[in-house]
Amino acid sequence: AQRVTQPEKLLSVFKGAPVELKCNYSYSGSPELFWYVQYSRQRLQLLLRHISRESIKGFTADLNKGETSFHLKKPFAQEEDSAMYYCALSDSWGKLQFGAGTQVVVTP
Amino acid sequence: DAGVTQSPTHLIKTRGQQVTLRCSPKSGHDTVSWYQQALGQGPQFIFQYYEEEERQRGNFPDRFSGHQFPNYSSELNVNALLLGDSALYLCASSLTQGSYEQYFGPGTRLTVT
Repeated sequence: AQRVTQPEKLLSVFKGAPVELKCNYSYSGSPELFWYVQYSRQRLQLLLRHISRESIKGFTADLNKGETSFHLKKPFAQEEDSAMYYCALSDSWGKLQFGAGTQVVVTP
Repeated sequence: DAGVTQSPTHLIKTRGQQVTLRCSPKSGHDTVSWYQQALGQGPQFIFQYYEEEERQRGNFPDRFSGHQFPNYSSELNVNALLLGDSALYLCASSLTQGSYEQYFGPGTRLTVT
């Protein structure tokens, strides 16, 4: 069975500090992993996916198959990064399995 | 392009009633998926429609049903509403079945009293 675990419900960081959101998964096949973000009063939107290996808004995420992890990182948090972040895993048909989400609060 | 649109925005129903939620996919997209997001939780997959057929289904009872029309828009129907059905219902569209890039609508907030 596929499962996505985000152990932190809330992450509070100071502006300019590094931030890391943890995500662990279980999946029997070859996973496709994503990070989605939801800013206040906005719809859920794709932040990045592991196959593109690109940095979006300064965020990066590395897939570690050995540790079955896909942690999201940013070296210097900004106030506009305050949002709800969801890690998600997709099967080959495009069905998304989401984690419970991590609320990030960046304080000045 | 307005992206994925959903209607209505909010809905209040009484236990036992039936409800229909609507979704129009992003222009050019032919696959629609529905998710239920309870308060404080991540979205849970309900089902996916492609070529007017239900292609995949999550762990939801038969009270949840859907439909996709020739123009790719979709409806989610829930019968015999329970208090536990209160949630935000999200629609997502993608270019084709199996595509990993899904675009989400703003959701319909359903409250069952």
